This record gives sequence, structure tokens and C-alpha cells, in this order.
Amino acid sequence: GENVEQHPSTLSVQEGDSAVIKCTYSDSASNYFPWYKQELGKRPQLIIDIRSNVGEKKDQRIAVTLNKTAKHFSLHITETQPEDSAVYFCAAGGTSYGKLTFGQGTILTVHP
Amino acid sequence: DARVTQTPRHKVTEMGQEVTMRCQPILGHNTVFWYRQTMMQGLELLAYFRNRAPLDDSGMPKDRFSAEMPDATLATLKIQPSEPRDSAVYFCASGLGRLAGAEDTQYFGPGTRLTVL
Repeated sequence: GENVEQHPSTLSVQEGDSAVIKCTYSDSASNYFPWYKQELGKRPQLIIDIRSNVGEKKDQRIAVTLNKTAKHFSLHITETQPEDSAVYFCAAGGTSYGKLTFGQGTILTVHP
Repeated sequence: DARVTQTPRHKVTEMGQEVTMRCQPILGHNTVFWYRQTMMQGLELLAYFRNRAPLDDSGMPKDRFSAEMPDATLATLKIQPSEPRDSAVYFCASGLGRLAGAEDTQYFGPGTRLTVL
């Protein structure tokens, strides 16, 4: 089955800096890669996703890049703000009725 | 704004008691997923359903856990008997779920925080 590795497990940045979280996956058939943000005590919420026919996608301060050959994808957050502090999960799927395999999560802390 | 709902939001019970958690998926979604989240294990997939039929429950301890979808608007996760190690947040998620689809987004419910004493 699919295996997703996520790094780093914790990330601390100053407000205004950029943050990058990286994930690798094992199943070359995976073609859908969402990112979820989970604030403390809340549900995971989709913030951006990318499909395998696209190499990069951007939404305001958030961007995701995908390298299918190397089987890795990354989340980039620019101009970080304290409200970006949360746990971020990457996931891979698209091969089995919507099943997603999640990474272990990255705790992002943005210091004012 | 359609959302997945879960009840109860919090449950405290004693070891050995039966626990039932309920989930109402978004209307029109045909796949339902149950996850367990602990600090150590991240989001762990327990089971998932498509059109009310179980597709995979290999992540679920079979001796004490069971999951069902009595109808398209209700999914249940039951633990009997409960143990302290079952303490966690249990999330339900739903999606459109195609075999190899372009729309595999999962939408999560608010979770049930379970504490077994």
C-alpha cells in the first residue's frame, strides 16, 4: 500500500518568514495530493490540493509543488502569520475510491 | 455550507463500557471514513465505506471495534468493551470517492473526543 513520509515534524519560524513542508510517497499510481490544516481542538480542513497533471498550484500565500518523477510534493507558505500556526498534514490518494494516506503531520509555530 | 456532523462531541466512560459514535456524512457523498487521532499516531484510518458497503476495515481492532452504515445518512463506530488505550479523538470524513478520480477530497467532521477511565 501507499506510504507517505512528512518532514519536518516541527517547524518554528518568525512572522513574515517562509515555511516549507515536504512529503514523499511510495505509490507511483497516486495522483491526488491534498494538504490539510488542523488548528488545536478543531477538525482537519483542506487548504490546497494538487493533481498529478499539474506541477504547481498557488492560492494567495500558499503554494504546492509536485515532482512525480521523484515522488515528492511540498507545501510553501510565504509571509507567515501567527494564525498560520497549526498542524499541517499532507496526503496521497486517487487510486481507491477516495482513500487517502496521510503523513504524520508537521507542527508549525509562527512567532510574532 | 454542508458539513459532516458527529455525535457526541465528548464522551467520558469507564473501562468495559460500550461506546457508540455517530456520523452524518454530507448529503450526496458516497464514501465515509473513520479515523483515530492520538498524539503519537497522527491520523490512523480505521475503516471506510462506499455506498454503505465496507471497503476496508483492516485498521480496526476486530475484537472490540465495529463499524456500520445503517443508511446513507448515518455511519456508526462502536467499541465494546472500551479500554483506556482507546482514548483518542475519532474523526469521520466523507467524500465523493471515485475509483481513480479527480475529486477525492475528504471533508472531516468535528470529531468525538473519547476518554476511557
